[in-house]
Amino acid sequence: DVKVTQSSRYLVKRTGEKVFLECVQDMDHENMFWYRQDPGLGLRLIYFSYDVKMKEKGDIPEGYSVSREKKERFSLILESASTNQTSMYLCASSHLAGIWETQYFGPGTRLLVL
Amino acid sequence: AQKITQTQPGMFVQEKEAVTLDCTYDTSDPSYGLFWYKQPSSGEMIFLIYQGSYDQQNATEGRYSLNFQKARKSANLVISASQLGDSAMYFCAMREPPSGGSYIPTFGRGTSLIVHP
Repeated sequence: DVKVTQSSRYLVKRTGEKVFLECVQDMDHENMFWYRQDPGLGLRLIYFSYDVKMKEKGDIPEGYSVSREKKERFSLILESASTNQTSMYLCASSHLAGIWETQYFGPGTRLLVL
Repeated sequence: AQKITQTQPGMFVQEKEAVTLDCTYDTSDPSYGLFWYKQPSSGEMIFLIYQGSYDQQNATEGRYSLNFQKARKSANLVISASQLGDSAMYFCAMREPPSGGSYIPTFGRGTSLIVHP
C-alpha cells in the first residue's frame, strides 16, 4: 500500500513563529504536492516538486516556502506564521508522467495559528 | 473560470439508496483524466475512481460508478446502496497534459454527503 505520512495531525503555533510541516512518501514518487484546504474553497495548490531540489509555485505560494532534499521527503515552511494561515494542510504524491496518475494523500495537518 | 465545478455543496441520502454527485469540467484538450476522491471527517483524501477521456466505457469500482458524458463535459459519481460510512466530502478532479511542466490536477470545491439511517 502507498503510504504518505505527515509529521503532525494537529499543530498550534503563535503568530510569527516559523513552522515546519513534513511529508514523507514510500512509493518512490517523483511528484510531491502541498495543498491548503479551507471550507468552501476546496484544495488550493501551494507548491509542488517533480524532483529532488526542484520546486514550482502553485496557486497560493505567498507566505510559504518548500524544501525537497530527498526524493521521499517534502517540507512546507511557514516563514512567519500568521492567523490567516490557520488551515488544513494536505500533502500528496504521484508518479511523474501521465494524466492517469493517481495522487495519494497524507492524513493532513490541521494548523491553528494564534 | 473554474475548470471543475461541483454545484452541490451538500447532499442528503437515505441509507441503501443511490445518490449522484455532480461534476462538470472545462477543457479544450482531447486527452484528460477525471478522478473522484472521498474525504471522511478524519481528513485523509481517499482515491475512489478514475475515468480517462478516451475510455469507451464508464468506470466502475464496487459501489462507485462514474457517469461519463463527454459531450456534456460531465463526470458524475454514482454511489449505489449508500452506507453510513459514505458520509464524507467528495471531490472531483481533472488532470490534463501540461502546457510546459508537470501534470497538476485541478480540484472542485467538493460536495458534502450525509447518509441518513
